Amino acid sequence: DTGVSQNPRHKITKRGQNVTFRCDPISEHNRLYWYRQTLGQGPEFLTYFQNEAQLEKSRLLSDRFSAERPKGSFSTLEIQRTEQGDSAMYLCASSREYSNQPQHFGDGTRLSIL
Amino acid sequence: GENVEQHPSTLSVQEGDSAVIKCTYSDSASNYFPWYKQELGKRPQLIIDIRSNVGEKKDQRIAVTLNKTAKHFSLHITETQPEDSAVYFCAAMSYNTDKLIFGTGTRLQVFP
Repeated sequence: DTGVSQNPRHKITKRGQNVTFRCDPISEHNRLYWYRQTLGQGPEFLTYFQNEAQLEKSRLLSDRFSAERPKGSFSTLEIQRTEQGDSAMYLCASSREYSNQPQHFGDGTRLSIL
Repeated sequence: GENVEQHPSTLSVQEGDSAVIKCTYSDSASNYFPWYKQELGKRPQLIIDIRSNVGEKKDQRIAVTLNKTAKHFSLHITETQPEDSAVYFCAAMSYNTDKLIFGTGTRLQVFP
């Protein structure tokens, strides 16, 4: 299966700690997206990349959040000084380069802040 | 700002009946509308999508209709089966951005 892969699946950490998640997109996809999903809600857009360039960031993405895609392949999402409100499912999706292409999601990383 | 409203929030049907989920979007620049199915603890799975140059699209038991004038689009599932039980999300994307704006989801339960 060459779908979108995310690691880890679950992360439990104490408030104030830093966490980093990884996403490996479908290999031929140039675009990579990060979304956040809380219980009972639809995914909310955080940021996206085309190759290594970060093209858009949501206002939801505070300065404690940073995302990278250094070689245009996998991406990492880091949250510094985690807060209770950061508890959520962090989903990654990828798509082909052109506009309005289907986005395919990974299984997500569930973050729990103690 | 951009917004997608989705109704109903829950829907219970008998196996074999049809189910309809409706969404309304606010951004008139929206031109791509996917639907995702999400089972508990699993990834959102794309089940069907429609672009603004088309009014209807079918794939076996599922169909999506789009009314650009009214900014409405709907998911229709016919001959529902228990395995259709899941949360369904609609989403919209405009031509000048590549982010999906999701609705709040519909929990569909199909009773045998």
